[in-house]
Amino acid sequence: DTGVSQDPRHKITKRGQNVTFRCDPISEHNRLYWYRQTLGQGPEFLTYFQNEAQLEKSRLLSDRFSAERPKGSFSTLEIQRTEQGDSAMYLCASSFPGIVEQFFGPGTRLTVL
Amino acid sequence: GQNIDQPTEMTATEGAIVQINCTYQTSGFNGLFWYQQHAGEAPTFLSYNVLDGLEEKGRFSSFLSRSKGYSYLLLKELQMKDSASYLCAVSGGGNKLTFGTGTQLKVEL
Repeated sequence: DTGVSQDPRHKITKRGQNVTFRCDPISEHNRLYWYRQTLGQGPEFLTYFQNEAQLEKSRLLSDRFSAERPKGSFSTLEIQRTEQGDSAMYLCASSFPGIVEQFFGPGTRLTVL
Repeated sequence: GQNIDQPTEMTATEGAIVQINCTYQTSGFNGLFWYQQHAGEAPTFLSYNVLDGLEEKGRFSSFLSRSKGYSYLLLKELQMKDSASYLCAVSGGGNKLTFGTGTQLKVEL
């Protein structure tokens, strides 16, 4: 399968714990995006990378959130000291240079107890 | 800032035509997207408009008027599998997408 993959698909954690999600974009896609989606809402932009450079972060992204894309391929999103309000679907998307269409991965559903 | 409005829910009959409207106010505009999202799944791309007019792709068509900040998605020959959420999204700087809340479409027999 050559689509965007995300791992894990589901994560249940206790409040205060740290969690890390991984996204593998489609090969040769240089842009990678993270979105968060809560029930009944559309996805909200969190951050995006062009190659290894993080070019923009949303104001939604508190200091507890950090994202990396160290070699310009896969990316990780870490949430420290999770809160119940962090419960959501975390979506990753990637796009090819010069192409506006973003291809989404299946998402990681986070539940914070 | 960005503001995108679309109806929360719509119901239509199998075999019919349905039009889902979207209005937007954005500070940057690189195009408007429609995505389909089934419950618990990732959004999948349906259409993209950057110029005014109608884009047709099979049973799906999308229209854009940049001067009016308005788009619609037209679904023809509705099938039960078309029951899903339809997301209107505007591409801004960096091609990041700003999404509406989605329109939950229910197709009935």
